[in-house]
Amino acid sequence: EAQVTQNPRYLITVTGKKLTVTCSQNMNHEYMSWYRQDPGLGLRQIYYSMNVEVTDKGDVPEGYKVSRKEKRNFPLILESPSPNQTSLYFCASRLGPINTEAFFGQGTRLTVV
Amino acid sequence: DQQVKQNSPSLSVQEGRISILNCDYTNSMFDYFLWYKKYPAEGPTFLISISSIKDKNEDGRFTVFLNKSAKHLSLHIVPSQPGDSAVYFCAASPVKSDRGSTLGRLYFGRGTQLTVWP
Repeated sequence: EAQVTQNPRYLITVTGKKLTVTCSQNMNHEYMSWYRQDPGLGLRQIYYSMNVEVTDKGDVPEGYKVSRKEKRNFPLILESPSPNQTSLYFCASRLGPINTEAFFGQGTRLTVV
Repeated sequence: DQQVKQNSPSLSVQEGRISILNCDYTNSMFDYFLWYKKYPAEGPTFLISISSIKDKNEDGRFTVFLNKSAKHLSLHIVPSQPGDSAVYFCAASPVKSDRGSTLGRLYFGRGTQLTVWP
């Protein structure tokens, strides 16, 4: 089954404790992205990647890191999480840059206390 | 600054009637448009798309209309059903990179919560 898989689905952590949210897709897609969803703000892009070893900042990259060492994986790293990073996070992948839809993971609900 | 805008945060429609969700965009580089549907505790799922070479695309109960000159698109759901109750996101994709957009990125609106009541 074609899918984007995120882990964990739910995470509660403390301020400053490094964490990684994993994302994997099995569709051989070139493009991958991370979004966060907050009430009233919709989906805001954090980072995206056009291919292996090629990443760029989205609209809200502060406090996040990403890496794309393999085509299928695109982990999101919070080196020192803060309470304002409490949010719902989605990973997405897309076959190419033009005329294709993005497929989303199920989401990761992160709470930083 | 938001390049894709959904100015109605919510819409309430009776079952069986038409739901019309609206979306406006500002960047003339956008040439592919998508609608996503999102239920609570799930990821957004692709619903329907339209390329700028068309002004209408239909898929069952869902039709998307594009007015390029007005930089406006709309999603029509006919007839609306209670299971359609969800948040709907409009998204746009540019044909190439420019100062305000990057090839390959999707730009999302803030969403419209649709409620269909019996």
